[in-house]
Formats: sequence, structure tokens, C-alpha cells
Amino acid sequence: DAKTTQPNSMESNEEEPVHLPCNHSTISGTDYIHWYRQLPSQGPEYVIHGLTSNVNNRMASLAIAEDRKSSTLILHRATLRDAAVYYCILRALYNTDKLIFGTGTRLQVFP
Amino acid sequence: EAGVVQSPRYKIIEKKQPVAFWCNPISGHNTLYWYRQNLGQGPELLIRYENEEAVDDSQLPKDRFSAERLKGVDSTLKIQPAELGDSAVYLCASSFTWGILSSTEAFFGQGTRLTVV
Repeated sequence: DAKTTQPNSMESNEEEPVHLPCNHSTISGTDYIHWYRQLPSQGPEYVIHGLTSNVNNRMASLAIAEDRKSSTLILHRATLRDAAVYYCILRALYNTDKLIFGTGTRLQVFP
Repeated sequence: EAGVVQSPRYKIIEKKQPVAFWCNPISGHNTLYWYRQNLGQGPELLIRYENEEAVDDSQLPKDRFSAERLKGVDSTLKIQPAELGDSAVYLCASSFTWGILSSTEAFFGQGTRLTVV
């Protein structure tokens, strides 16, 4: 399984944008990039995923580098409720349906 | 609609005792996962079911851990006997898988926090 690298922690102030980076230099052509987050005392929850093009949804945006070796999760206006551990995960398109979690990035949001 | 339901939320047992966790996935989801999460770490996959078949149990410590998913719906994960190192949060997740395509997203329960003393 291809591996991802994320910073251990990041900080932000409330209502500021947050850019969470992820490196995945060994990504294969059929790997999707998924992001999950885990709020305190909760199970992980899906945030967003993409293959090649940038993606937007109500929670966040995902910017994918042209060579697909890195991506960035963008929270446009951080709130205190966004404080969580964010996981960047690669999932193959076919024949494997498991999520391999790393240690993620712990995001702290200050008022 | 209810999400993935796990019980109990918390469990404290003495070492060498057995323990069981229960999971009710989202209705219609054919894939079910059990993960273990140690403090400060990401979740680690223990076993994955497609319907009632365990398709990936390579990370399940089979000497003491067992799991079942009767009728392809609810699932139980058992540890017997428990050891101090089994203290962790046990997470259940479910998703819908279309044939050979990986599912878009998995939905997780709140987990069971196990403390072995």
C-alpha cells in the first residue's frame, strides 16, 4: 500500500483558512486520495476524496498537485469544531476496500 | 437514519477475562470493518467482511481474537483471554462496495474503549 506523509500537528486561528498538506510520492495511477478526520472521542468521519482534479464539498476543498504526488486539504474558515486529527489516505480503485490510516495531523484551532 | 452503532461504549475488565464487542452497521452496507486504535495512533485494521465472508483478517491476532458476522449484518469481535496490551479503542465501520470497486466512504461508529487492568 502506498504511504502518505503528513505533519504531526498544525495550528490555526478561528475563521482563518487552513491548508493541511499530504505527500504521497509513491501514489499509483488508480489510487484515490481520501481525507478523514477524527474529532475527540469520536470515530473517523469522511471529509472528501479525489483522483486528479480539485474537489469541493460543503466541508472542505481538496487541491491535488498535477503530478499527484501531493495534495492539500483546505478548510476555508476554521471553526473550533474543526479541531481534530486529519488523515490523508490512499485507496486503490479496485479490489481492495480497506483504509490504511497513518498518524495524521492534529489541528488545533484557537479562538 | 442511525449510523453505525457499537456497544458497549466503555468496558473495564481484568486481564485473562473474555470480552466481546458488538456492531450494527448501516442498513444495506455489505462491507464491515473492525479497527483497533491505540492512544495517539491512527486506527489499525483488524478484519474486513464482505457480507458474511472475512476477506481480510491478516492483522487479526488469531490466538486470542475472533470475529463473526452472521447473516452478513451485525458483527461481534471477541477477545479471550484479554491482555493488558489490548487496552485500546475498538472501532467498527461499514460501507457499500460495488463489485470490485472500492467504496467511496466508510462510516464509523463511536467505538468501544477497552481498559484491561
